[in-house]
Amino acid sequence: AQSVTQLGSHVSVSEGALVLLRCNYSSSVPPYLFWYVQYPNQGLQLLLKYTSAATLVKGINGFEAEFKKSETSFHLTKPSAHMSDAAEYFCAVSEGGNQFYFGTGTSLTVIP
Amino acid sequence: KAGVTQTPRYLIKTRGQQVTLSCSPISGHRSVSWYQQTPGQGLQFLFEYFSETQRNKGNFPGRFSGRQFSNSRSEMNVSTLELGDSALYLCASSLATMTAGELFFGEGSRLTVL
Repeated sequence: AQSVTQLGSHVSVSEGALVLLRCNYSSSVPPYLFWYVQYPNQGLQLLLKYTSAATLVKGINGFEAEFKKSETSFHLTKPSAHMSDAAEYFCAVSEGGNQFYFGTGTSLTVIP
Repeated sequence: KAGVTQTPRYLIKTRGQQVTLSCSPISGHRSVSWYQQTPGQGLQFLFEYFSETQRNKGNFPGRFSGRQFSNSRSEMNVSTLELGDSALYLCASSLATMTAGELFFGEGSRLTVL
């Protein structure tokens, strides 16, 4: 069975500081991993995805994530937070096809 | 290229009623998935349709059902509404592949059950 755990339902960072959002997954097979972002009153937008190519994945808006099989982790980072990064972030896993399992989300607040 | 369109965006129902939500996928996308989003539970998979057939189903009671039409548009129905059904219902479309592709989400239909 697949599951996704996002540590920290709320994360606050200062503008310009490092953003680190944590995601751990469980999967019986090599998974496909995703990070999505959701702005208020909007649907989810793909930030980046891992599909067994390079373990360091670069996404939009300066975000990147590293797949670490030994730690079953796929943490999301951004070197310097911007006010516009304030949103809800979701980690998701799939073993193929279009059935995704999402974490419960991390709300990111950026403090000016 | 138009995105995923969901209607209605907001609706209020009372317990025991039923509701039908609609989703128009991105042109060319044949897979449509539905998710329920609630605070604390995150997004939970309801079901996926491809070529008018339900391909996958999540762990929801039979009160939740869906269908897909020949033009790939999809509807989901919830019968005998309960207070706990209050949620944001998200539809996502994607190209139908065996590998996990990108899901494109609509803005959702926010259902409030009183």
